[in-house]
Amino acid sequence: DIQMTQSPSSLSASVGDRVTITCRASQSISTYLNWYQQKPGKAPKLLIYTASSLQSGVPSRFSGSGSGTDFTLTINSLQREDFATYYCQQSYSTLITFGQGTRLEIK
Amino acid sequence: QLQLQESGPGLVKPSETLSLTCTVSGGSISSSSYYWGWIRQSPGKGLEWIGSIYHSGSNYYNPSLKSRVTVSVDTSKNHFSLKLSSVTAADTAVYYCARRYTAILQYYFDYWGQGTLVTVSS
Repeated sequence: DIQMTQSPSSLSASVGDRVTITCRASQSISTYLNWYQQKPGKAPKLLIYTASSLQSGVPSRFSGSGSGTDFTLTINSLQREDFATYYCQQSYSTLITFGQGTRLEIK
Repeated sequence: QLQLQESGPGLVKPSETLSLTCTVSGGSISSSSYYWGWIRQSPGKGLEWIGSIYHSGSNYYNPSLKSRVTVSVDTSKNHFSLKLSSVTAADTAVYYCARRYTAILQYYFDYWGQGTLVTVSS
């Protein structure tokens, strides 16, 4: 299995802040890395695919980067609606795996 | 607008079989660029991929669940289904169905159902 490790597990920030979430794969996955946002009681929502491509309809304050084993999700100028849990997911292997999640809370 | 909707019992007894169906509307399950999958999330926990299927019936499963899982597709009804046998309390989770876009260098879940909570209890 390819293990996906996110850091931090939780994060407190204020509206207007810039935040970065990191995802590390246990082996190289090229750019087969996606990011999702999940709010309580809702299904995950695709934000970024193939490491850096912004899904249609997602605000441009979200961006992704990285390749190989290290990836980042950056949110510029945090908005109130961005407080949620974020997951990375690798699709390099036929055994699809997710990170454990990063909970973004309001400071 | 594509929509996915899970349906099935919300309560299953231990040792029995969990059965869920995902009905796809607003698009065809036979589209060539997509696999269809099941993902679950235990209460307060992260996401676990269960298995995926193509409209041809080609499927693949999470090895940790493979001995208990069957995912099937019915193109005439535009839906796909999940069966998980010999369930225990550890299988209590919200079960999501999702569409997986599949193209060269691009594989991601772009549409999800709302999720359905399945509790395993006697």
